[in-house]
Amino acid sequence: NAGVTQTPKFRVLKTGQSMTLLCAQDMNHEYMYWYRQDPGMGLRLIHYSVGEGTTAKGEVPDGYNVSRLKKQNFLLGLESAAPSQTSVYFCASSPPTSGQETQYFGPGTRLLVL
Amino acid sequence: AQSVTQLDSQVPVFEEAPVELRCNYSSSVSVYLFWYVQYPNQGLQLLLKYLSGSTLVKGINGFEAEFNKSQTSFHLRKPSVHISDTAEYFCAVRNDYKLSFGAGTTVTVRA
Repeated sequence: NAGVTQTPKFRVLKTGQSMTLLCAQDMNHEYMYWYRQDPGMGLRLIHYSVGEGTTAKGEVPDGYNVSRLKKQNFLLGLESAAPSQTSVYFCASSPPTSGQETQYFGPGTRLLVL
Repeated sequence: AQSVTQLDSQVPVFEEAPVELRCNYSSSVSVYLFWYVQYPNQGLQLLLKYLSGSTLVKGINGFEAEFNKSQTSFHLRKPSVHISDTAEYFCAVRNDYKLSFGAGTTVTVRA
């Protein structure tokens, strides 16, 4: 199993450009999450999904959109990138079963917005 | 929503010395707590978790944590660190099926 994979690993954007980050998991997990990591702030939840076709806002959703068309994929979109969105983005997934609360993380995507 | 506070942002430690990373959580009826580790340029990896039962939880790589309900704490400890333990450590609490993370503690192990 590859676990959780993220594409791309690194990207540079100009202000106003758009892009999509792809997260894929091969563990048949129901729940998927997108976080951003900034120095001194830990990880903050952007959006999450509890199943195919469902999405919900997290702690810092502004400026981002998501889609979960397939169970194994969770896409994070930036419609008009801003320098404040320079960050490291992590995707995670977890099964819904009680007692299986562990989230499994991808390797991250480093995004620089100029 | 429940939250966690990591009391130390940076912890320098010598190799083979013990280390303790402090984490306090906001009180609640029931709480699920986690410690994750992030090695340089990698994603997060679960070290250990407390769901219920014994208050002393053992994790991977020789780490353990103690759940203390009266002090609302979940401190992480290792009796003897190695250079390879240099990493950032995150405490987290479960809210429904989401996690809320602390700001992180950077541990730097020196020879």
